[in-house]
Amino acid sequence: DAKTTQPNSMESNEEEPVHLPCNHSTISGTDYIHWYRQLPSQGPEYVIHGLTSNVNNRMASLAIAEDRKSSTLILHRATLRDAAVYYCILSDYGGSQGNLIFGKGTKLSVKP
Amino acid sequence: NAGVTQTPKFRILKIGQSMTLQCTQDMNHNYMYWYRQDPGMGLKLIYYSVGAGITDKGEVPNGYNVSRSTTEDFPLRLELAAPSQTSVYFCASRGQETQYFGPGTRLLVL
Repeated sequence: DAKTTQPNSMESNEEEPVHLPCNHSTISGTDYIHWYRQLPSQGPEYVIHGLTSNVNNRMASLAIAEDRKSSTLILHRATLRDAAVYYCILSDYGGSQGNLIFGKGTKLSVKP
Repeated sequence: NAGVTQTPKFRILKIGQSMTLQCTQDMNHNYMYWYRQDPGMGLKLIYYSVGAGITDKGEVPNGYNVSRSTTEDFPLRLELAAPSQTSVYFCASRGQETQYFGPGTRLLVL
C-alpha cells in the first residue's frame, strides 16, 4: 500500500475553516483517498473518501490535486468537537485483506 | 443499528492470564478486523476475517488467536497475557468502501 505524509499537528480557531494536507506521491491509479478521524478515547470514524474528483459531505470536503499526489481535507467551520487525530489513508480495497493502514495522522487542536 | 460493539470496555490482566475480547456487528458485513493501538501511534492489524469460517493473520498476530463462527461475531483471544499486549484494541467491520469501528477495549497487563 502506498504511504501518506501528514503534518504531526495543526491548530485552528473555533468557527474558522481548517485545511488538513496529505501528500501521497506514490498513489496508484486504483487507490481511493480515505480520511478517518479519531476523537479522544474513541474508535476511528469515517469522514470522507474520493478517487479523482472533489467530494463534499455533511462533515467535510475533500479536495484532490489533479495529479492525485496530494489532497486536502477541509472542515468549513471548526468546532471544539472537531479536535481529533485525522488520518489520511490510501486503499483500493482490491487486496485480499482490505484493511486500512494507519500512520500517526495529524492531531488537530481547536481553540475557542 | 448498534453498529460494532465491543466488550469489555476496560480490563486489567495479570501476566500469563487469558481472556477473550468480544466483538459483534449487526450490519451483515463479511469483512471484520482486529487492530491494536499503542499510545501515540496509529492502528496495527492483528487478524482479519473475510467471512464466517475464514480468518487470516495481519501485521502483528503473535500472542493472539481469533475465530469466526458467525457473520456477526469475531472474538479475539489472548492466551498468555504479556505486558507488551497492554494496548487499546479496536474491532472493525467493512462495508462497501467504509470501515466501522467499535469503541475499543483498553487492556492493561501487569
